Amino acid sequence: GAGVSQSPRYKVAKRGQDVALRCDPISGHVSLFWYQQALGQGPEFLTYFQNEAQLDKSGLPSDRFFAERPEGSVSTLKIQRTQQEDSAVYLCASSQGQVNDYTFGSGTRLTVV
Amino acid sequence: KQEVTQIPAALSVPEGENLVLNCSFTDSAIYNLQWFRQDPGKGLTSLLLIQSSQREQTSGRLNASLDKSSGRSTLYIAASQPGDSATYLCAGKYMEYGNKLVFGAGTILRVKS
Repeated sequence: GAGVSQSPRYKVAKRGQDVALRCDPISGHVSLFWYQQALGQGPEFLTYFQNEAQLDKSGLPSDRFFAERPEGSVSTLKIQRTQQEDSAVYLCASSQGQVNDYTFGSGTRLTVV
Repeated sequence: KQEVTQIPAALSVPEGENLVLNCSFTDSAIYNLQWFRQDPGKGLTSLLLIQSSQREQTSGRLNASLDKSSGRSTLYIAASQPGDSATYLCAGKYMEYGNKLVFGAGTILRVKS
């Protein structure tokens, strides 16, 4: 596609509910990243994929967070047993390689009530 | 731990004014530095990318500089317009810490007509 597509755009979850956020990167982009952006803050790194391999998951805040990219294209970020502190915008970005510009999606705004 | 700081946190200027946004980073082993623009409810749009071997980059009315020795980058916006109103984020990339961006909290810019 022309850009990075994320769905849903908005998600309201009850505390304790599991959620799945989808990212469809630009076709052919090898690198894919997930970031979490709290209100009024800059994005914080969560995890990084190169093709289907998850090379860095050091930013995942707890074992309730899980990300996958099984075929090296679409990626899913799953949050189990959501908590209020998980409320944030989740941004996905892709790039052709390690040194190129990143293209960000519009994000998924998650609100846990 | 790498840290990126942006000042000021918010800035309001009249249309037509030239302005400078500041970004400082703690680790001089930066690979590159990128400036992004974020409009409300939207993802990030890449404005300028400066490699560590470069001193500055220009695009239209925007000019970004990088001084690794002092740990600073500036984004200069000439002849500001109301359409420039947005949040501006800088982000550093540190290859030795993995392929991720470390963001500042951003500067909220408002250009008044």
